[in-house]
Amino acid sequence: GAVVSQHPSRVICKSGTSVKIECRSLDFQATTMFWYRQFPKQSLMLMATSNEGSKATYEQGVEKDKFLINHASLTLSTLTVTSAHPEDSSFYICSASDDRGYNEQFFGPGTRLTVL
Amino acid sequence: DAKTTQPPSMDCAEGRAANLPCNHSTISGNEYVYWYRQIHSQGPQYIIHGLKNNETNEMASLIITEDRKSSTLILPHATLRDTAVYYCIVRVANQAGTALIFGKGTTLSVSS
Repeated sequence: GAVVSQHPSRVICKSGTSVKIECRSLDFQATTMFWYRQFPKQSLMLMATSNEGSKATYEQGVEKDKFLINHASLTLSTLTVTSAHPEDSSFYICSASDDRGYNEQFFGPGTRLTVL
Repeated sequence: DAKTTQPPSMDCAEGRAANLPCNHSTISGNEYVYWYRQIHSQGPQYIIHGLKNNETNEMASLIITEDRKSSTLILPHATLRDTAVYYCIVRVANQAGTALIFGKGTTLSVSS
C-alpha cells in the first residue's frame, strides 16, 4: 500500500529557532501534498496545499512567511516553522494524494513539535 | 461549513459490531463518502469509500442509504485496537489537488 513518512517524529526546540519537517511518499508519486496541524483534542486543520514545482497555497489565517513549504520533487515536501514560539507547539501531519486510481489521501505518522 | 454530521462519541464492547452513523444530507451526485480513522497521536488511516453501492474491504463495510443522505460504517468485530476517532468525509473523487476537510468525527471507545 501507499506509505507516507515524516521526519522527525518528535522535535523539541527553543523559542526563536526554526524547525524543518520532511514528508515523503515512499512508494508512489504525489503531485500534491497537504499539511495539517492538530491541537490537543481538536480535529485536523488544513494549513496548506503543496504542489510540486510551484508555490504552496495557504489556508486563510496561516502565515506563509512563518510556515515555509517547499515541494521540490514528486516524493518530498518540507515544512519549515520559522522563529518558532510556544503557540506553534502542535502535531503536524502531512498527506499525499496518490495520482492513480481514486486519489485517496495517505497520511504520514505526524510530527510532534514542542517549542520551549 | 460541515458537510457531514456524526455523533461525538460511541461505545462498543470488544467482539461486537460497531456501527458508526454519518449524515450527509447535502451530498452532491459526484461526491463520494470517505471514512478515515485516527488512533491517538498517529496520522489518519484510510478505511473505505463509496459512491452509492455498499462496499466492503478487509477493515470494514460501508452501507450507504438509497437516497445517499446518510451512511454507516460497520466494524464487524471490534477490537481494543479499533479505539480511535472516526471521520466521515464527502468529497469528489479523482481530485488529487483537493484536500480532505475533517470535521469533529466520532470517538469510538472499544472496551473489554
